[in-house]
Amino acid sequence: AQKVTQAQTEISVVEKEDVTLDCVYETRDTTYYLFWYKQPPSGELVFLIRRNSFDEQNEISGRYSWNFQKSTSSFNFTITASQVVDSAVYFCALTSNTGGFKTIFGAGTRLFVKA
Amino acid sequence: NAGVTQTPKFQVLKTGQSMTLQCAQDMNHNSMYWYRQDPGMGLRLIYYSASEGTTDKGEVPNGYNVSRLNKREFSLRLESAAPSQTSVYFCATLLGFNEKLFFGSGTQLSVL
Repeated sequence: AQKVTQAQTEISVVEKEDVTLDCVYETRDTTYYLFWYKQPPSGELVFLIRRNSFDEQNEISGRYSWNFQKSTSSFNFTITASQVVDSAVYFCALTSNTGGFKTIFGAGTRLFVKA
Repeated sequence: NAGVTQTPKFQVLKTGQSMTLQCAQDMNHNSMYWYRQDPGMGLRLIYYSASEGTTDKGEVPNGYNVSRLNKREFSLRLESAAPSQTSVYFCATLLGFNEKLFFGSGTQLSVL
């Protein structure tokens, strides 16, 4: 069975602080993809990053970085020097190639960035 | 290109009423999905269709039915709405296994 766990329900930080959002996943598949999506207060879902199960390289995109570790089944997301515009709900998701490319989401982490 | 279009955007039902949420895509994607979003629960998969002519249950299928009418359209039906089905519903599509989901703008459904 597939499962995605985001243990942090809400995080509150002050602007310019660094913050890490945790994601732990479970799957029996050897081939799978992990994703992060952002949902700002407007409600739409915005794709942030995709990582396949064979690529454990960390990735940095501006103030965003992602740390994928298969040994701990984790795919954590760090925002450096947070800004008020980063306030949103962030979802981690897992897609595997069995069962018709079913994509399962974690419960989400709501991030509040205060000025 | 419209992408993924969901109708209606808002709906209020009384307990026991039925309705169908419509989803249409113009991206020629094979796979389509219905999710519901509830506070603290994330997005939970209701039903999905890997390709035209196939549908499968997701995590929370009870109380719902779906129809993959053709490659473009995937509808979600509530036969007898219950207050527990009050939620925001998202339709999504997927080109391939290694691709991101494309989401509609959501339907806010309230069942009184």
